[in-house]
Amino acid sequence: EVQLVESGGGSIQPGGSLRLSCAASGFPFSGYWMHWVRQGPGKGLMWVSVINHDGSHTSYADSVKGRFTFSKDNARNMMYLQMNSLRVEDTAVYYCARAGSDWKIDAWGQGILVTVSS
Amino acid sequence: QSALTQPASVSGSPGQSVAISCTGSSTDVGTYNFVSWYQQCPGQAPKLIIHDVSERPSGVSDRFSGSKSGNTASLTISGLQVEDEADYYCSSYAGSSTLIFGGGTKLTVL
Repeated sequence: EVQLVESGGGSIQPGGSLRLSCAASGFPFSGYWMHWVRQGPGKGLMWVSVINHDGSHTSYADSVKGRFTFSKDNARNMMYLQMNSLRVEDTAVYYCARAGSDWKIDAWGQGILVTVSS
Repeated sequence: QSALTQPASVSGSPGQSVAISCTGSSTDVGTYNFVSWYQQCPGQAPKLIIHDVSERPSGVSDRFSGSKSGNTASLTISGLQVEDEADYYCSSYAGSSTLIFGGGTKLTVL
């Protein structure tokens, strides 16, 4: 069974940093691209970032580019989202998700809440 | 990277059909057949229900179908059931290794 479990969320002041982790199991993690997707309170889904199977290629939404860094550790079946210079508008539930072929997202974690507030 | 445009809400009675539109542009929906649809029930993570415009993953009811014309994709749910009440999101590949979601549509089954 595919499992994705996020951790590392919490409350942080604007300008602060936080690192989210996602533990993957039940599938050959090293062969998959992965995503982070977020959902603000009462809002829709917003794509944040993608990483390729070996971590050599990443892409980011304009709103997080330069502030967030996505990395992947295939040896540990883990992925990370380093979030710096956090803003109030980054407040959201963050989902780690598996990329299937053709840019579909075929598995999601349960989500982890990040609250940026003074 | 503006969101794809979806109606905020749609509604229908049990047994009826409803369609949810997802309008993008020539740089996303209009160019790529990598359109997916997700169902999100309250308090839960999204679930993939349609991919590649019209393909259903194994286990998804054939009451869900997808299509695309030009810059607009559509999700049709036939034979509405009470358990279909949820939020629905479309997504599309937008080039340069980026993905874009629609704003979401709340389906109410009356």
